[in-house]
Amino acid sequence: EVQLVESGGGLVQPGGSLRLSCEASGFTFSYYRMNWVRQAPGKGLEWVANIKQDGNERYYVDSVKGRFSISRDNAKNLLFLQMNSLRDEDTGIYYCVLRGVSKPTWGQGTLVTVS
Amino acid sequence: DIQMTQSPSTLSAYVGDRVTITCRASQTFSSWLAWYQQKGGEAPKLLIYKASILETGVPSRFSGSGSGTDFTLTISSLQPDDVATYYCQQYDTYSWTFGQGTRVEIK
Repeated sequence: EVQLVESGGGLVQPGGSLRLSCEASGFTFSYYRMNWVRQAPGKGLEWVANIKQDGNERYYVDSVKGRFSISRDNAKNLLFLQMNSLRDEDTGIYYCVLRGVSKPTWGQGTLVTVS
Repeated sequence: DIQMTQSPSTLSAYVGDRVTITCRASQTFSSWLAWYQQKGGEAPKLLIYKASILETGVPSRFSGSGSGTDFTLTISSLQPDDVATYYCQQYDTYSWTFGQGTRVEIK
């Protein structure tokens, strides 16, 4: 069974940094692109970043370019999101999402509060 | 980027009604379209993927259809447990995009 477990969220001041992790299991992690998606309180879903299987291609939503960095460790089945220069509007739940062969699979999310 | 326009933003119907939510894309893509249900405080739950395939364990009253730029989620007989917000998502490109969401209520 595919499992994605996020961690690393918490309370941080504006301008601060946070590193999110996602531990993957139940599938061959190195075979798949991975994503981060977020949801601000009371708002809709917003894709944040995507990374290719080997880590050599990365894409970001415009609002986080230059501040966030997605990375992965295929040997440890881990996905990361390094978040720097955090702003109030980065507050929300961050989800790790697998782009499977035919469908996405989501973790339960980790809460980031910038205040 | 592909923009997804979802409608309506709110829907109120009676138990047993057939309800339809639509999602229109700003350009054609190859049916990598998902529908989610989200209840307060929970992660989105996958209902439909590849536009029309019902996820395992999802009640058969949910169905998806469409191709090109126009997609539809249908609930054939609305139940009290279906009160939630529903989102469409294209996952065809590297930069995924979501509809704005449809809040479904019971009259």
